[in-house]
Amino acid sequence: GAVVSQHPSRVICKSGTSVKIECRSLDFQATTMFWYRQFPKQSLMLMATSNEGSKATYEQGVEKDKFLINHASLTLSTLTVTSAHPEDSSFYICSATSGLAGGETQYFGPGTRLLVL
Amino acid sequence: GEDVEQSLFLSVREGDSSVINCTYTDSSSTYLYWYKQEPGAGLQLLTYIFSNMDMKQDQRLTVLLNKKDKHLSLRIADTQTGDSAIYFCAGIGTASKLTFGTGTRLQVTL
Repeated sequence: GAVVSQHPSRVICKSGTSVKIECRSLDFQATTMFWYRQFPKQSLMLMATSNEGSKATYEQGVEKDKFLINHASLTLSTLTVTSAHPEDSSFYICSATSGLAGGETQYFGPGTRLLVL
Repeated sequence: GEDVEQSLFLSVREGDSSVINCTYTDSSSTYLYWYKQEPGAGLQLLTYIFSNMDMKQDQRLTVLLNKKDKHLSLRIADTQTGDSAIYFCAGIGTASKLTFGTGTRLQVTL
């Protein structure tokens, strides 16, 4: 149980285009999903917290107009990187809380590697 | 905010035990977690411990929590080559936000 998927797993795009990344909880309902960014050889940096049916809460320094988050249902959250630039190239990982054992335990997706040319 | 520190690298021989250490500054986390990340992949939850526990054992994994010293450790018994990965400790804070450690790269040699 507690499986989280992401799509796509890898994406290459041209500078100036927008890219949408999907995060799905496959076998549980996730009231809260989190979006992280990870640079090579570094830890995860929380970008935003997404609650179903409400606006996402962004961490300090994360541009909400740049990284659009939508949590339309209890099993799906999307992150759209708008007008992507090479500095947005990174590994984006989502997680979801299941309310199962460990209450607030987060289960992570496999990540999406974004390369902006 | 909370600081969570880990040593960067650990090398062990196959069959030996591995001990990965983590120190943290915020003692209010109700749960503390260990995650494993293989190259190019997301994070896999290995185990977690509730803050009022001192130890938790789950097959080859043993978690020790010393709240007084704010120290968390993960012991992997009979380490295998498949255990080679980066290991992150994490504490849960306000609004269910996780604060991750810096990550420890475990290398298992034959």
